[in-house]
Amino acid sequence: DAKTTQPNSMESNEEEPVHLPCNHSTISGTDYIHWYRQLPSQGPEYVIHGLTSNVNNRMASLAIAEDRKSSTLILHRATLRDAAVYYCILRGEGGSEKLVFGKGTKLTVNP
Amino acid sequence: DTGVSQDPRHKITKRGQNVTFRCDPISEHNRLYWYRQTLGQGPEFLTYFQNEAQLEKSRLLSDRFSAERPKGSFSTLEIQRTEQGDSAMYLCASSFLAKTWSGANVLTFGAGSRLTVL
Repeated sequence: DAKTTQPNSMESNEEEPVHLPCNHSTISGTDYIHWYRQLPSQGPEYVIHGLTSNVNNRMASLAIAEDRKSSTLILHRATLRDAAVYYCILRGEGGSEKLVFGKGTKLTVNP
Repeated sequence: DTGVSQDPRHKITKRGQNVTFRCDPISEHNRLYWYRQTLGQGPEFLTYFQNEAQLEKSRLLSDRFSAERPKGSFSTLEIQRTEQGDSAMYLCASSFLAKTWSGANVLTFGAGSRLTVL
């Protein structure tokens, strides 16, 4: 299945920007990069997705490398409510339409 | 719309018993997914439906697991003869994809059904 690599954990201070990296060196040309997050005791929540260009929405920004082998999720001002596990996700291989989750990055936000 | 609903939220059962989970997706969504999540791991894909058709199943889905979506609306996931290794959070998600799929698939997840097998 399509693979992504993320750091196990990251730490940030409240109201500071956070850059969450993801490597996806085997990404195919048509694969979207999805980001979801999971707060404690909840199901995953959609954050953002992109294909080639950088993307912004009310929650975050997604910066995609020119060769598409890596991307970075940017939280512009972290809050305590942003403490969660963040998943960088691609589709399964071979035309599969499932989203394949890895272990994600656990983000801790310090007050 | 209240989002994706899952029932029950918690289930404790004894090994060997059968359990069934129900998922009610967002009403206009044509796709429904089941995932399983164990402690410290990301969600693992189990299966998905487009309307009432089950289009993909994971190798993780042994013959003790069966999922249905009989009328293309709600779905059930049944586990027969439960084992301790089945203890996990079972997550349901739904999405809408038009026939001409662009590649982006935004899933809305429910809060999950936690299964504990004693």
